[in-house]
Amino acid sequence: GAGVSQSPRYKVAKRGQDVALRCDPISGHVSLFWYQQALGQGPEFLTYFQNEAQLDKSGLPSDRFFAERPEGSVSTLKIQRTQQEDSAVYLCASSLARGSTYEQYFGPGTRLTVT
Amino acid sequence: GDSVTQMEGPVTLSEEAFLTINCTYTATGYPSLFWYVQYPGEGLQLLLKATKADDKGSNKGFEATYRKETTSFHLEKGSVQVSDSAVYFCARDSSYKLIFGSGTRLLVRP
Repeated sequence: GAGVSQSPRYKVAKRGQDVALRCDPISGHVSLFWYQQALGQGPEFLTYFQNEAQLDKSGLPSDRFFAERPEGSVSTLKIQRTQQEDSAVYLCASSLARGSTYEQYFGPGTRLTVT
Repeated sequence: GDSVTQMEGPVTLSEEAFLTINCTYTATGYPSLFWYVQYPGEGLQLLLKATKADDKGSNKGFEATYRKETTSFHLEKGSVQVSDSAVYFCARDSSYKLIFGSGTRLLVRP
C-alpha cells in the first residue's frame, strides 16, 4: 500500500516568508509525528498528534512553528517568517497507534532551504 | 535528558568486510532500541529493533544486541555489500517519540 507522502519535496524560501509543509500519513494511522533533521544530524522530535489532538509540541523551536491535523489525517507544518536556521529536512512519520510496539513509518521528507 | 551517541563516520569498508557501528544510550527508564537506515534518496526505514535487555534484533544480515550493563546497542554485520552503503541511525524511544543519534555514513567499496 501507499506509504507516508510529503509535499513539496523541496522548498526554497526567502528569509521572512511563510511556508507550509504537508504530510499524508498511511491511511488508518492514528499517530503522526514531525521531526526536523539538520544537515549531518539525526532527526529531532518536533510535535506529536493522536488523531486530531496535538498531544505534544515540546520540540517546536519557536512560536513561529505551528502544526495542525484538523481531521485526524493530513497534517500541515507551518513556519512563519522563516529564518536561515530553519533550513533542514522536515520528516513526517505515522504509526498505527501510540507506543514503541508500533513502528513509525517515515516519509521522504521536505528539504527546506531558506535564503 | 534522554540521548543516543553513535560513532562518527564515514566508515569505509571493502565488500565482505565485517561491520560494527557503536551506539550507546542514556539509561533512563526501560527504552526500546532501534536501528534505522537511510539509503541515498530514500526515507528512513526501520532496520531492526529490540525491546528489552539481552534481546537481539536482526534483519538483512544485520544484528544488534540490547546490552543493559553497558547501555549499548552496537550494529554488526558479518559481510557487507555495496548495497549496504547508507546512513545508519541508532535510536531509543522516550515515551512515544524517538531520540536519534547523529548518524553514521557507511560506504562499501567493491
